[in-house]
Amino acid sequence: DGGITQSPKYLFRKEGQNVTLSCEQNLNHDAMYWYRQDPGQGLRLIYYSQIVNDFQKGDIAEGYSVSREKKESFPLTVTSAQKNPTAFYLCASSDLDSQYQPQHFGDGTRLSIL
Amino acid sequence: DQQVKQNSPSLSVQEGRISILNCDYTNSMFDYFLWYKKYPAEGPTFLISISSIKDKNEDGRFTVFLNKSAKHLSLHIVPSQPGDSAVYFCAASGDKIIFGKGTRLHILP
Repeated sequence: DGGITQSPKYLFRKEGQNVTLSCEQNLNHDAMYWYRQDPGQGLRLIYYSQIVNDFQKGDIAEGYSVSREKKESFPLTVTSAQKNPTAFYLCASSDLDSQYQPQHFGDGTRLSIL
Repeated sequence: DQQVKQNSPSLSVQEGRISILNCDYTNSMFDYFLWYKKYPAEGPTFLISISSIKDKNEDGRFTVFLNKSAKHLSLHIVPSQPGDSAVYFCAASGDKIIFGKGTRLHILP
């Protein structure tokens, strides 16, 4: 059954610590995305990647880093430079064959600060 | 600067009646619009979309209307069912997808 798997579902970070959120897809999609959702807010784009070994900053990339070593995987690292990391993080993917392909989302990771 | 606006944070509708969710956008370069539905602790799921060359798209109980001159789109759900209670995100696509803040729909028994 194809889809996007995000792990862990809940994650706690100590002050000054880097944490990495996992995102894996088996949809054979070229493009992958990371969004952040805060209460009462829409989805804000952190980073996106349209091809392996290439990625671009979204609207709120500061304090985050990503890698795209495999087509299936797009991990997000929340660094200590991100001063307000508490949020719900969503990973998504889409097929680039059609410009209008809707994005498929994982079930998210909720990150909290200890 | 919000390019995609959903001005109603929440909406309550009686079961069986029509639910109308609204969305406004500012960028005339958007050429594709999408609606997503989101349950708590889950990711959004794609619901329905419309190209800017159309003014209506229908899929079962869901219809999306696009008024390009007013830069406004709406999602109609009829009849509304209890399982429709969720947060609905409007999104607009140009060179990238921009999401609205969402509208929480409550279907009342």
